Amino acid sequence: GAGVSQSPSNKVTEKGKDVELRCDPISGHTALYWYRQRLGQGLEFLIYFQGNSAPDKSGLPSDRFSAERTGESVSTLTIQRTQQEDSAVYLCASSFAGEETQYFGPGTRLLVL
Amino acid sequence: AQSVTQPDIHITVSEGASLELRCNYSYGATPYLFWYVQSPGQGLQLLLKYFSGDTLVQGIKGFEAEFKRSQSSFNLRKPSVHWSDAAEYFCAVGPYAGNNRKLIWGLGTSLAVNP
Repeated sequence: GAGVSQSPSNKVTEKGKDVELRCDPISGHTALYWYRQRLGQGLEFLIYFQGNSAPDKSGLPSDRFSAERTGESVSTLTIQRTQQEDSAVYLCASSFAGEETQYFGPGTRLLVL
Repeated sequence: AQSVTQPDIHITVSEGASLELRCNYSYGATPYLFWYVQSPGQGLQLLLKYFSGDTLVQGIKGFEAEFKRSQSSFNLRKPSVHWSDAAEYFCAVGPYAGNNRKLIWGLGTSLAVNP
């Protein structure tokens, strides 16, 4: 089947604007993760969804960041009042419950001018 | 604090040469260890993982890694590198227990392959 997909692939926005990033996980994957990858850096965990459990939001860097997930499908990461330091690649991954391997999407490259 | 260190930011090898990418971790419990590869324009792909058992694990594309608890290391190796192996390699460690599914990532090692 199809892999994890993310949209848009690239997003350029102006400082202060809100952006929404979308992730479509692999069908049947109940776990979904968002990561941020700044240029030349490793991945930073942002948030984790598992089924109907309360999400683990401990990685969200500020209250400008939020994410939602509808059931076990699409997730949206929203960044309000974007800042230049938000410029990064935002990666989404999904997995079956209890499976160790995370399957990654191609990412959304966000540039805040 | 939990951390992953990849000491080599950039490595260049000749095609056909052997390769070893280093990964050291600091973790308070039994770690789960991963190596992922990120090729230009492509998403992250799992190369191999270690949870328990045999400390030498085999992965895809001819890669292997060895877990050494005494050295807190999980180095990635390949006996003969191909030009297509040029990519960014990331080591990650996690608990993978309960609801805490966070992975802690190294900064990556960029591999260039000379013909």
